[in-house]
Amino acid sequence: AQKITQTQPGMFVQEKEAVTLDCTYDTSDPSYGLFWYKQPSSGEMIFLIYQGSYDQQNATEGRYSLNFQKARKSANLVISASQLGDSAMYFCAMREGNIRGSQGNLIFGKGTKLSVKP
Amino acid sequence: EAQVTQNPRYLITVTGKKLTVTCSQNMNHEYMSWYRQDPGLGLRQIYYSMNVEVTDKGDVPEGYKVSRKEKRNFPLILESPSPNQTSLYFCASSLSGVPGNTIYFGEGSWLTVV
Repeated sequence: AQKITQTQPGMFVQEKEAVTLDCTYDTSDPSYGLFWYKQPSSGEMIFLIYQGSYDQQNATEGRYSLNFQKARKSANLVISASQLGDSAMYFCAMREGNIRGSQGNLIFGKGTKLSVKP
Repeated sequence: EAQVTQNPRYLITVTGKKLTVTCSQNMNHEYMSWYRQDPGLGLRQIYYSMNVEVTDKGDVPEGYKVSRKEKRNFPLILESPSPNQTSLYFCASSLSGVPGNTIYFGEGSWLTVV
Protein backbone atom coordinates (compact mmCIF):
# COMPACT_ATOMS: atom_id res chain seq x y z
CA ALA A 1 0.00 0.00 0.00
CA GLN A 2 1.19 3.48 -0.79
CA LYS A 3 2.26 5.45 2.21
CA ILE A 4 1.86 8.83 0.52
CA THR A 5 -0.90 9.42 -2.00
CA GLN A 6 -1.21 12.47 -4.20
CA THR A 7 -4.32 12.00 -6.31
CA GLN A 8 -3.88 15.00 -8.61
CA PRO A 9 -1.28 14.32 -11.31
CA GLY A 10 -1.75 17.81 -12.70
CA MET A 11 -3.56 21.00 -11.79
CA PHE A 12 -4.12 24.42 -13.30
CA VAL A 13 -4.67 27.62 -11.36
CA GLN A 14 -5.16 31.20 -12.42
CA GLU A 15 -2.50 33.65 -11.35
CA LYS A 16 -3.32 35.35 -8.02
CA GLU A 17 -5.81 32.66 -7.02
CA ALA A 18 -5.35 30.12 -4.24
CA VAL A 19 -4.83 26.42 -4.92
CA THR A 20 -4.93 23.30 -2.75
CA LEU A 21 -2.77 20.29 -3.48
CA ASP A 22 -3.98 17.10 -1.87
CA CYS A 23 -1.94 14.61 0.10
CA THR A 24 -3.01 11.65 2.21
CA TYR A 25 -0.66 9.43 4.16
CA ASP A 26 -0.64 6.11 5.90
CA THR A 27 1.40 5.24 8.96
CA SER A 28 0.97 3.44 12.24
CA ASP A 29 3.84 5.37 13.80
CA PRO A 30 2.59 7.99 16.30
CA SER A 31 5.59 10.20 15.60
CA TYR A 32 6.10 11.41 12.07
CA GLY A 33 6.80 14.49 10.04
CA LEU A 34 5.11 15.66 6.88
CA PHE A 35 6.89 17.78 4.30
CA TRP A 36 6.17 19.50 1.04
CA TYR A 37 8.84 20.07 -1.58
CA LYS A 38 8.78 22.01 -4.83
CA GLN A 39 10.68 20.80 -7.87
CA PRO A 40 10.89 23.31 -10.74
CA SER A 41 11.82 22.18 -14.23
CA SER A 42 15.49 22.86 -13.44
CA GLY A 43 15.36 19.84 -11.13
CA GLU A 44 16.32 21.02 -7.67
CA MET A 45 14.22 19.95 -4.68
CA ILE A 46 13.16 22.92 -2.57
CA PHE A 47 11.80 22.53 0.95
CA LEU A 48 8.55 24.44 1.47
CA ILE A 49 6.88 23.53 4.74
CA TYR A 50 6.88 21.02 7.59
CA GLN A 51 4.18 19.67 9.92
CA GLY A 52 4.90 17.43 12.88
CA SER A 53 2.43 14.78 13.97
CA TYR A 54 2.17 16.33 17.43
CA ASP A 55 1.79 19.90 16.24
CA GLN A 56 -1.52 21.37 17.33
CA GLN A 57 -1.59 24.16 14.81
CA ASN A 58 -1.35 24.07 11.06
CA ALA A 59 2.02 25.11 9.71
CA THR A 60 2.39 28.29 7.67
CA GLU A 61 5.36 29.69 5.72
CA GLY A 62 4.63 32.86 3.82
CA ARG A 63 2.15 32.01 1.04
CA TYR A 64 2.25 28.32 1.93
CA SER A 65 0.07 26.72 4.56
CA LEU A 66 -0.54 23.12 5.43
CA ASN A 67 -4.07 21.95 6.16
CA PHE A 68 -3.35 19.12 8.58
CA GLN A 69 -6.25 16.82 9.43
CA LYS A 70 -4.75 14.09 11.54
CA ALA A 71 -7.86 11.93 11.92
CA ARG A 72 -8.29 11.87 8.15
CA LYS A 73 -4.54 11.43 7.62
CA SER A 74 -4.40 14.29 5.20
CA ALA A 75 -1.85 17.07 4.81
CA ASN A 76 -2.93 19.32 1.98
CA LEU A 77 -0.76 22.19 0.79
CA VAL A 78 -2.47 25.52 0.22
CA ILE A 79 -0.72 28.12 -1.92
CA SER A 80 -2.30 31.54 -1.70
CA ALA A 81 -2.04 34.23 -4.39
CA SER A 82 -0.43 31.97 -6.98
CA GLN A 83 2.43 33.36 -9.03
CA LEU A 84 3.80 32.27 -12.38
CA GLY A 85 6.94 31.10 -10.61
CA ASP A 86 4.88 28.59 -8.65
CA SER A 87 4.58 26.40 -11.75
CA ALA A 88 6.43 23.22 -10.77
CA MET A 89 6.07 19.69 -9.47
CA TYR A 90 5.05 19.49 -5.83
CA PHE A 91 5.84 16.50 -3.67
CA CYS A 92 4.34 15.51 -0.37
CA ALA A 93 6.65 13.41 1.78
CA MET A 94 6.64 11.73 5.18
CA ARG A 95 9.41 10.88 7.60
CA GLU A 96 8.50 8.30 10.23
CA GLY A 97 9.81 8.35 13.75
CA ASN A 98 10.55 4.71 14.49
CA ILE A 99 14.29 5.20 14.53
CA ARG A 100 15.06 1.64 15.47
CA GLY A 101 15.03 0.04 12.08
CA SER A 102 14.04 3.24 10.37
CA GLN A 103 16.14 4.53 7.54
CA GLY A 104 15.24 8.06 8.53
CA ASN A 105 14.29 8.55 4.95
CA LEU A 106 11.58 10.55 3.30
CA ILE A 107 8.79 8.60 1.64
CA PHE A 108 7.55 10.57 -1.33
CA GLY A 109 4.27 10.75 -3.16
CA LYS A 110 4.17 10.70 -6.97
CA GLY A 111 3.80 14.46 -7.14
CA THR A 112 1.38 17.00 -8.57
CA LYS A 113 2.33 19.18 -11.52
CA LEU A 114 0.99 22.67 -10.94
CA SER A 115 0.64 25.08 -13.84
CA VAL A 116 -0.15 28.73 -13.13
CA LYS A 117 -1.94 30.52 -15.95
CA PRO A 118 -1.45 34.28 -16.51
CA GLU B 1 24.90 30.16 3.21
CA ALA B 2 23.64 26.80 4.44
CA GLN B 3 23.69 24.34 1.61
CA VAL B 4 24.23 20.86 0.25
CA THR B 5 26.62 20.85 -2.68
CA GLN B 6 26.97 18.01 -5.10
CA ASN B 7 29.21 17.58 -8.13
CA PRO B 8 29.12 17.09 -10.99
CA ARG B 9 25.72 18.52 -11.84
CA TYR B 10 25.70 16.95 -15.27
CA LEU B 11 27.65 13.93 -16.48
CA ILE B 12 27.57 11.60 -19.45
CA THR B 13 29.75 8.54 -18.99
CA VAL B 14 30.26 5.13 -20.55
CA THR B 15 29.31 1.75 -19.18
CA GLY B 16 31.87 0.38 -16.76
CA LYS B 17 33.83 3.55 -16.15
CA LYS B 18 33.99 4.18 -12.42
CA LEU B 19 32.68 7.52 -11.26
CA THR B 20 32.14 9.38 -8.02
CA VAL B 21 29.51 11.98 -7.28
CA THR B 22 30.64 14.15 -4.41
CA CYS B 23 28.38 15.63 -1.76
CA SER B 24 29.25 18.14 0.91
CA GLN B 25 27.13 19.97 3.49
CA ASN B 26 28.10 22.94 5.66
CA MET B 27 25.35 22.64 8.27
CA ASN B 28 27.10 20.19 10.63
CA HIS B 29 24.38 17.65 9.94
CA GLU B 30 24.76 14.12 11.23
CA TYR B 31 22.37 12.46 8.79
CA MET B 32 23.11 12.27 5.07
CA SER B 33 21.59 10.21 2.29
CA TRP B 34 21.41 9.66 -1.45
CA TYR B 35 18.28 9.38 -3.55
CA ARG B 36 17.64 8.69 -7.17
CA GLN B 37 14.63 10.00 -9.05
CA ASP B 38 13.19 8.16 -12.02
CA PRO B 39 10.02 8.81 -14.03
CA GLY B 40 7.13 6.77 -12.73
CA LEU B 41 9.13 5.51 -9.75
CA GLY B 42 9.57 8.73 -7.85
CA LEU B 43 12.42 9.27 -5.39
CA ARG B 44 14.03 6.25 -3.80
CA GLN B 45 16.72 6.15 -1.17
CA ILE B 46 20.00 4.50 -2.18
CA TYR B 47 22.15 4.73 0.96
CA TYR B 48 22.06 6.70 4.16
CA SER B 49 24.40 7.57 6.98
CA MET B 50 23.36 8.34 10.54
CA ASN B 51 26.82 9.66 11.41
CA VAL B 52 30.51 9.43 10.59
CA GLU B 53 31.56 5.87 9.75
CA VAL B 54 27.94 4.67 9.99
CA THR B 55 26.32 3.87 6.66
CA ASP B 56 23.53 1.55 5.63
CA LYS B 57 21.58 0.45 2.60
CA GLY B 58 18.43 2.17 1.52
CA ASP B 59 15.82 0.79 -0.83
CA VAL B 60 17.92 0.54 -4.01
CA PRO B 61 21.60 0.06 -3.06
CA GLU B 62 22.67 -2.35 -5.82
CA GLY B 63 25.48 -0.99 -7.95
CA TYR B 64 26.41 1.79 -5.53
CA LYS B 65 28.88 2.35 -2.71
CA VAL B 66 29.24 5.17 -0.22
CA SER B 67 31.63 6.24 2.49
CA ARG B 68 31.39 8.68 5.38
CA LYS B 69 34.88 9.44 6.61
CA GLU B 70 34.07 13.01 7.57
CA LYS B 71 30.86 14.55 8.82
CA ARG B 72 30.48 16.98 5.96
CA ASN B 73 31.15 14.64 3.00
CA PHE B 74 29.18 11.68 1.67
CA PRO B 75 30.34 10.62 -1.81
CA LEU B 76 28.36 8.22 -3.98
CA ILE B 77 30.48 5.76 -5.94
CA LEU B 78 29.42 3.86 -9.02
CA GLU B 79 32.11 1.21 -9.45
CA SER B 80 30.87 -0.05 -12.82
CA PRO B 81 28.02 2.12 -14.07
CA SER B 82 25.35 0.61 -16.27
CA PRO B 83 22.65 2.28 -18.40
CA ASN B 84 19.96 1.47 -15.79
CA GLN B 85 21.76 3.85 -13.45
CA THR B 86 20.91 6.76 -15.72
CA SER B 87 18.95 8.97 -13.38
CA LEU B 88 18.72 12.22 -11.45
CA TYR B 89 20.61 11.87 -8.18
CA PHE B 90 20.11 13.87 -5.03
CA CYS B 91 22.26 14.14 -1.97
CA ALA B 92 20.40 15.21 1.16
CA SER B 93 21.17 16.00 4.77
CA SER B 94 19.43 16.73 8.04
CA LEU B 95 20.45 17.40 11.62
CA SER B 96 19.58 13.83 12.56
CA GLY B 97 17.29 11.00 11.54
CA VAL B 98 14.31 12.05 13.65
CA PRO B 99 11.11 13.05 11.83
CA GLY B 100 11.18 16.61 13.07
CA ASN B 101 14.39 17.42 11.29
CA THR B 102 13.95 18.81 7.81
CA ILE B 103 15.87 17.11 5.02
CA TYR B 104 17.66 19.52 2.70
CA PHE B 105 18.59 18.52 -0.81
CA GLY B 106 21.44 19.35 -3.11
CA GLU B 107 20.70 20.69 -6.56
CA GLY B 108 20.78 17.27 -8.16
CA SER B 109 23.16 15.48 -10.51
CA TRP B 110 21.94 14.40 -13.91
CA LEU B 111 23.79 11.22 -14.81
CA THR B 112 23.61 9.49 -18.18
CA VAL B 113 25.33 6.15 -18.73
CA VAL B 114 25.71 5.11 -22.37
